[in-house]
Amino acid sequence: LAKTTQPISMDSYEGQEVNITCSHNNIATNDYITWYQQFPSQGPRFIIQGYKTKVTNEVASLFIPADRKSSTLSLPRVSLSDTAVYYCLVGPFSGGYNKLIFGAGTRLAVHP
Amino acid sequence: DVKVTQSSRYLVKRTGEKVFLECVQDMDHENMFWYRQDPGLGLRLIYFSYDVKMKEKGDIPEGYSVSREKKERFSLILESASTNQTSMYLCASNIQGMNTEAFFGQGTRLTVV
Repeated sequence: LAKTTQPISMDSYEGQEVNITCSHNNIATNDYITWYQQFPSQGPRFIIQGYKTKVTNEVASLFIPADRKSSTLSLPRVSLSDTAVYYCLVGPFSGGYNKLIFGAGTRLAVHP
Repeated sequence: DVKVTQSSRYLVKRTGEKVFLECVQDMDHENMFWYRQDPGLGLRLIYFSYDVKMKEKGDIPEGYSVSREKKERFSLILESASTNQTSMYLCASNIQGMNTEAFFGQGTRLTVV
């Protein structure tokens, strides 16, 4: 499984756009990139997944450059409720048993 | 609504006790996972199971064992609890062989005294 590197923490203010970048230099051809969000005292929840270019849903956008060695989770106009830890995972979408390996994540603090 | 349910939200146990943490999912998922989460360390995989009676070690299996007798239930066992096993324990499940969305329980905060 490809190793991922994310910033340990980030700070932002309400209404700003937040971009969290994840590096995954050893990503394999059949690997997908998945992001989870974890609020305090809760289990993580899936927010977005992609393979290349751009994916957008009601929560976030995921930007993946052509070389796929990094990805950026973009949260538009954050609010206080977006304060959470964000995890980037890289692994194959199919083809066998999959271990879900989480790193330390990025702790995002949104301030008033 | 899909659900992963952990049997206890909070547990306090004594050193040396045998501790069982139970997890049940109602989504007919093949894969089930146990993690522990400590401040600054993120989620670390203890064990996972891809089928009934099947299991594989994660990154930190020492001091733990697991049991999967039924598809919907995955138990984490601390054979002899120690204070360094005080942690938040999280269970998750997803579809086997697919890096699809994993669903997590609310967590069990275990304190070993």
